[in-house]
Amino acid sequence: AQTVTQSQPEMSVQEAETVTLSCTYDTSESDYYLFWYKQPPSRQMILVIRQEAYKQQNATENRFSVNFQKAAKSFSLKISDSQLGDAAMYFCAYRWNYGGSQGNLIFGKGTKLSVKP
Amino acid sequence: AAGVIQSPRHLIKEKRETATLKCYPIPRHDTVYWYQQGPGQDPQFLISFYEKMQSDKGSIPDRFSAQQFSDYHSELNMSSLELGDSALYFCASSLGGDTQYFGPGTRLTVL
Repeated sequence: AQTVTQSQPEMSVQEAETVTLSCTYDTSESDYYLFWYKQPPSRQMILVIRQEAYKQQNATENRFSVNFQKAAKSFSLKISDSQLGDAAMYFCAYRWNYGGSQGNLIFGKGTKLSVKP
Repeated sequence: AAGVIQSPRHLIKEKRETATLKCYPIPRHDTVYWYQQGPGQDPQFLISFYEKMQSDKGSIPDRFSAQQFSDYHSELNMSSLELGDSALYFCASSLGGDTQYFGPGTRLTVL
C-alpha cells in the first residue's frame, strides 16, 4: 500500500525567510504524481505545486519549489521569501498513475506552517 | 476561471437523519472525487466517478451512496447519520486522471 509521511507536524518561519517542508512516500510503482496542497484557516484546499515522477526536473511555481528525489522517495517543498499569507496547513499528496485511470489522492498528515512578522 | 461548486456550504442534521451534498465540477472536467476530512485530520478518499460511472471506492460507509449525473454534477447521499460523520466533505474534479481541483467543502455537523 502506498503511504505518505510528513514528519514535521508544525514549522515556523520568519517573514521573508525560506522554509522547507519535508515529505516522504512509499510506493512500488514507477509512474505517479506528487502534489503539495495548502489549506489555510478557510479550510479551502489549494493546489500549490505538482510533480510528475517521470520528470527529473524539479517543479517550480513562483516562490514555491520542490526537491524531488525519486530514489530516496522524498518530495520536499521550499517556500522562499515567506509571506504572512503562506501561513496554513500544508499537505503532501500522492497519486498513482495507472493506465490513465482516475486515481485518488493519498495525503500525509500535514504540516502546520506559521509565519512570524 | 470557474471552480468546483459545492452546496450547501454548511449543514446541520440530527442523528439518524439523511443528508445530500451536491458537487458541480469545473466545466469539461469528467471526473469527480469525494473526500471526507475529520477535525485535525487529512482528507480521506470516499469515492470517485469517471464519465458518470463509479471508478474507485475508498473508505465509504455502506450508509453513504453517490452518483454522477448526465450533466456531470455529483451527489453524495448520507443516511442514518452518526455523530462521527461530522466533518468537512470535499468534492474535487479533474480532466481524466489529471490534477484534482477542490471545491470549498461542505461542513456537516451532526447533533
